[in-house]
Amino acid sequence: KQEVTQIPAALSVPEGENLVLNCSFTDSAIYNLQWFRQDPGKGLTSLLLIQSSQREQTSGRLNASLDKSSGRSTLYIAASQPGDSATYLCAVIATNNAGNMLTFGGGTRLMVKP
Amino acid sequence: NAGVMQNPRHLVRRRGQEARLRCSPMKGHSHVYWYRQLPEEGLKFMVYLQKENIIDESGMPKERFSAEFPKEGPSILRIQQVVRGDSAAYFCASSPHAGGASNQPQHFGDGTRLSIL
Repeated sequence: KQEVTQIPAALSVPEGENLVLNCSFTDSAIYNLQWFRQDPGKGLTSLLLIQSSQREQTSGRLNASLDKSSGRSTLYIAASQPGDSATYLCAVIATNNAGNMLTFGGGTRLMVKP
Repeated sequence: NAGVMQNPRHLVRRRGQEARLRCSPMKGHSHVYWYRQLPEEGLKFMVYLQKENIIDESGMPKERFSAEFPKEGPSILRIQQVVRGDSAAYFCASSPHAGGASNQPQHFGDGTRLSIL
């Protein structure tokens, strides 16, 4: 059974810092890994999707890497801003998953202080 | 191009009543997924549907819960005889093709917050 873990559970940093969020998964047989952002009381916004054959994806100040063999992904946020404050979720779709459902980690709650 | 639309945004029910949650996928998307987020917990998969078919309902409780995605109209998640433990945020996501091998991201709605009195 696929399990996804995110550390740290919460993170507070001053504005301007570069930071790394970690995600690990137990079964390396995945189609892809997706990073989401969730604001309080809101839905999920897709940030980056990394296919199993890829090593990383970049969008603006965000960079996500994937090491499938070790079951790890990182989300790097450069020059953090108060507007980045949110919960960040990673999720995978396993290849043995006929339902194509996402398995989520518990999330990292990020607070960027001005 | 409107995103995934869920309604209502907030729903309050008393124990024993029925709750109906609606989800209209993005235009052109024929795959719908329902997830539940219990307080202080992560999102858990409930059910995956294509038009008129339930593909995988392995995450949905066997009793009181049902889902449909008719040929016309939104997908419906129905909870009968609600209990306090059903209080949660219910999210719907859609994709144009099966989310796995197609590498298409799932797009999420803003969710329905269900509160049981």
